[in-house]
Amino acid sequence: AQSVAQPEDQVNVAEGNPLTVKCTYSVSGNPYLFWYVQYPNRGLQFLLKYITGDNLVKGSYGFEAEFNKSQTSFHLKKPSALVSDSALYFCAVRDIDGTGANNLFFGTGTRLTVIP
Amino acid sequence: EAGVTQFPSHSVIEKGQTVTLRCDPISGHDNLYWYRRVMGKEIKFLLHFVKESKQDESGMPNNRFLAERTGGTYSTLKVQPAELEDSGVYFCASSHTGRYIEQFFGPGTRLTVL
Repeated sequence: AQSVAQPEDQVNVAEGNPLTVKCTYSVSGNPYLFWYVQYPNRGLQFLLKYITGDNLVKGSYGFEAEFNKSQTSFHLKKPSALVSDSALYFCAVRDIDGTGANNLFFGTGTRLTVIP
Repeated sequence: EAGVTQFPSHSVIEKGQTVTLRCDPISGHDNLYWYRRVMGKEIKFLLHFVKESKQDESGMPNNRFLAERTGGTYSTLKVQPAELEDSGVYFCASSHTGRYIEQFFGPGTRLTVL
């Protein structure tokens, strides 16, 4: 069965410091991984995705994520946090080869707060 | 191009009433998805349309939920009769067809059942 775990409900980081939002996943086949962000009163916005190839994926707003197959992780990172990065972040996986291959399975979300 | 739109943005209804949510996907997207997030929990898949056909409705909680996509354009999700546990944010997403295509999400409809 497919699942995503975001172990931290809340992450606080000082402006200018590096940030990491953690995500681990479980799928039976090959994973197709995403990060989405939700700003207050807005919908989910696509940040980045991993399909195959280079384990380090770069996305919007300076974010990047590292795919680690052995640890089944896909942590979101940014070298220098901005106050405007404060939002709710969701990790999602799609099991390309499994049942429900078109569906996204999401984690519970991590609220990131960047402190000025 | 315009994004995915959803109406209404908020809905507050009494238990036992009926509510209909609407989603307008991005023009040209054959795939339309409904998801739901109950307070503090993960976003869960409800169902998937390809054009006007239901491709997968394995996530629909029960027969109080009815989704339609007449003509393969906009979609509606009706909850009848609504129960307290139906409260949450209902997201709609759309995409082109393809193995590696991302889904684009609407702003969601926040449903509160009192």
